[in-house]
Formats: sequence, structure tokens, C-alpha cells
Amino acid sequence: DAGITQSPRYKITETGRQVTLMCHQTWSHSYMFWYRQDLGHGLRLIYYSAAADITDKGEVPDGYVVSRSKTENFPLTLESATRSQTSVYFCASSEVTGNTEAFFGQGTRLTVV
Amino acid sequence: GENVEQHPSTLSVQEGDSAVIKCTYSDSASNYFPWYKQELGKGPQLIIDIRSNVGEKKDQRIAVTLNKTAKHFSLHITETQPEDSAVYFCAANGNTGFQKLVFGTGTRLLVSP
Repeated sequence: DAGITQSPRYKITETGRQVTLMCHQTWSHSYMFWYRQDLGHGLRLIYYSAAADITDKGEVPDGYVVSRSKTENFPLTLESATRSQTSVYFCASSEVTGNTEAFFGQGTRLTVV
Repeated sequence: GENVEQHPSTLSVQEGDSAVIKCTYSDSASNYFPWYKQELGKGPQLIIDIRSNVGEKKDQRIAVTLNKTAKHFSLHITETQPEDSAVYFCAANGNTGFQKLVFGTGTRLLVSP
């Protein structure tokens, strides 16, 4: 199916463990984004990518790593999970950045215990 | 960088009433202002957007107004229905350097039958 999909939908992990959230889009959009959603903070940008092998930090990048070896995939890795990284994570993609529709995945609810 | 403030954080209306959500932005260079609707358990989805060269845009029961001088924009929903119940996010693109959307903190709208 065309669209943007995230996996897993739910994840519980322990403090200090590495965890990777996956994001896959089928539109061949150039731009991809990772946001975290927390009550009272809305959607905050973690990292973004303008094309394969081009990534840059957003507003809250500390503790996260991204890669983009293929246009359609944009995984987000928490190198050593902390409780403050408990959140709902959304991946998004867009054809152009900043002035056209961004398409969001269904989200991954991550709990760090 | 761009900063977007959104009010109110929660809004309760009776079915058939109108609802208004307001946002202010800080970067006068911003020129794209989308509104996203997020239903429970889903990712945000674009419902309407406006560019800085127009002051108002309508799509059936929803409308957005933009006041560039005051740097604020609003979402208006008329004849609200229970299915309008959701979280709504405004955003601005901070048209300085690499454009990326900066989101407000969200408004939870509850429409009671």
C-alpha cells in the first residue's frame, strides 16, 4: 500500500537499551522528518533529511541518531534510552519542505522503563 | 527561529456551535501556515492551509484567516459535529534558511452532541 508506515506501533524498552524506530514511505518524497509528541509541547522536530545521506538536527536531537541510506527509509535510533524519551514518535515525509503538505505516519508509542 | 503559540489548549462546544482556535507566530518571514487534525491513535493530517499572499481561505465548514501585520492566524469551524472532536495543530514554516514546520502545542476540541 502506498503511504508512510512506522514500526513498531508500540514498544516498551528498558533504560540504557538501544532501540530503533522504523519509517518507510512509498512516494519517493525527498524530505523526511522525525517528531516527538509530548503533552504540553505539541510536535517537536528531532531530525530531518533532505535526501538520501543528507540529515540534520532539529529542535531536540540529543540522544537520537538517524540515517538515510535509501530515499524510502528513515530509521530513528535511541542509542541509550532514558525515561525522558518516553513519548509518541511520528515520522513524516513531504515532496518539498516547509510549504506543502507533510504526510505523517501512525506513530510509535515508546515507553522507557 | 520560529516560535508558534496556540490557544486555547482545550475547547468544548455543543454540536452546531462554532469553534475558533488561534495561533501567533514570531518570524515575519513565515509564509505558509497549515492546520493539522489528529484523531485518537492516528498521525496528524492536513485539513487546510494558507499562504501569506491571501487573508482568508475556506473549505466547506472550515476556514482559516491570516493577519500578517499582527502575526496571527486562526482556524474557524462552523456547525461543529461530533466527528470534529480531535486535537488540532497549527504550524508556520519559518521561512529563513531551511524551511521546516514549527508546530503549536495543540488544541483538544470536544464537540458534545
